[in-house]
Amino acid sequence: GAGVSQSPSNKVTEKGKDVELRCDPISGHTALYWYRQRLGQGLEFLIYFQGNSAPDKSGLPSDRFSAERTGESVSTLTIQRTQQEDSAVYLCASSFRLAGGGDTQYFGPGTRLTVL
Amino acid sequence: AQTVTQSQPEMSVQEAETVTLSCTYDTSESDYYLFWYKQPPSRQMILVIRQEAYKQQNATENRFSVNFQKAAKSFSLKISDSQLGDAAMYFCALTGTASKLTFGTGTRLQVTL
Repeated sequence: GAGVSQSPSNKVTEKGKDVELRCDPISGHTALYWYRQRLGQGLEFLIYFQGNSAPDKSGLPSDRFSAERTGESVSTLTIQRTQQEDSAVYLCASSFRLAGGGDTQYFGPGTRLTVL
Repeated sequence: AQTVTQSQPEMSVQEAETVTLSCTYDTSESDYYLFWYKQPPSRQMILVIRQEAYKQQNATENRFSVNFQKAAKSFSLKISDSQLGDAAMYFCALTGTASKLTFGTGTRLQVTL
């Protein structure tokens, strides 16, 4: 089937506005991850969903960031009152969770967010 | 806490030659997994190779192989017979039981004719 998809591909917004980023995982994948990649840097973990378990929010940088996932399908990452330091590429990944961990994560193409 | 260090910001290799990208890591977990991902200009992260820490045998995928030195906490990637399409950012990553990946800062690989 199709890979991980994300929308929009690019988003330009003004400082102080709210934005919503969408991720459609691979069908059947129980785990979903959000990462942030600032210019010229590696990826930083934001949040992780696994089935009906409580999400791991340990990577969210502030309370302006939140995410939801409906069952094992679409997820949205919301950034409220955007700041210029939020400018980055936001990448989503999904995986079929293995009992012992180490599942391979498959990434979407990302959303490039620019806050003016 | 887990850390991944890539000390080579940029590397260059001639087409058809071999290049090795370095990665060192630190983790307190006994069960963990290591990955190399490739990120071309399209931004899409593509899995290159995966290694289970409990396996002594080095993983291999066609022209890509790793040198996994568990005691030294080193996980280097060797690309043989380099091709123009190999030009990209390469990220080393680590995960344990928590599933989330910890990434290094990446190595930009240039492939020249």
